Amino acid sequence: GAVVSQHPSWVICKSGTSVKIECRSLDFQATTMFWYRQFPKQSLMLMATSNEGSKATYEQGVEKDKFLINHASLTLSTLTVTSAHPEDSSFYICSAREDRPTDYNEQFFGPGTRLTVL
Amino acid sequence: AQSVTQPDIHITVSEGASLELRCNYSYGATPYLFWYVQSPGQGLQLLLKYFSGDTLVQGIKGFEAEFKRSQSSFNLRKPSVHWSDAAEYFCAALYGNKLVFGAGTILRVKS
Repeated sequence: GAVVSQHPSWVICKSGTSVKIECRSLDFQATTMFWYRQFPKQSLMLMATSNEGSKATYEQGVEKDKFLINHASLTLSTLTVTSAHPEDSSFYICSAREDRPTDYNEQFFGPGTRLTVL
Repeated sequence: AQSVTQPDIHITVSEGASLELRCNYSYGATPYLFWYVQSPGQGLQLLLKYFSGDTLVQGIKGFEAEFKRSQSSFNLRKPSVHWSDAAEYFCAALYGNKLVFGAGTILRVKS
C-alpha cells in the first residue's frame, strides 16, 4: 500500500522558535496533501489542504502566518510552526492523496509528529 | 454543520467477545463513510469504506460495518475481538473534499 512518512516523529522546542515538520509520500505522487491537528482525546481537525505548486487553503480559524505550508514537489509537503508557543503543542498528522480521474482517491496518513513547546 | 459523532470514548471488551463501535453522521446527502484505526506511533489505517450499494461492507482484519440511512449510522462490528485489536478507532465522513472525523473510541481488550 501507499506509504506516507513524517519527520520528525517528535520534537521539543522552546517558546518563540520555529519548527518544521516534513511529510513525504514514498511510493506515489501526492497531488494533494492535508495537514491535521489532533488534541488529546479529541478528533483530527483539518488545518489546511495543499496542492503541489500552489498556495495552501486553510480552514477557518487556522492562522496562515502561524502555520506555513509548502508543497513544493509531488512527494513533499512541509508545515512550519512559526514562533511556537505552548498552546501549539499538539499531534500533527499529514495525509497525502494522488488525484486520479476516479470517483474517489484515498488519503494515506502519516504516523504523526508530536510537538511539545516549552 | 457537517459532523461525525462517536458516542463512546472508551470501550472495554474481553478477548473473544463481539464488538460494536457506534458512529453517527450529520444529516444531509449521504457522504462517503470510513472507519480508521490508529495504533500508538502509527498512522491511521483504513479499515473499510462505504460509498453506495450493499449496506454491509467488509473490511480488513475481520471488521465489518453496516450503513443505516434511517439512523444516519455507520457502526463498526467484529464478531470476535483479538488482543491486537486494542487501539483507537475513528469514524469519518467525506463531505465534498473534506474528511470530517469523529472524536474516536479507544478500545481496550482484556484477557
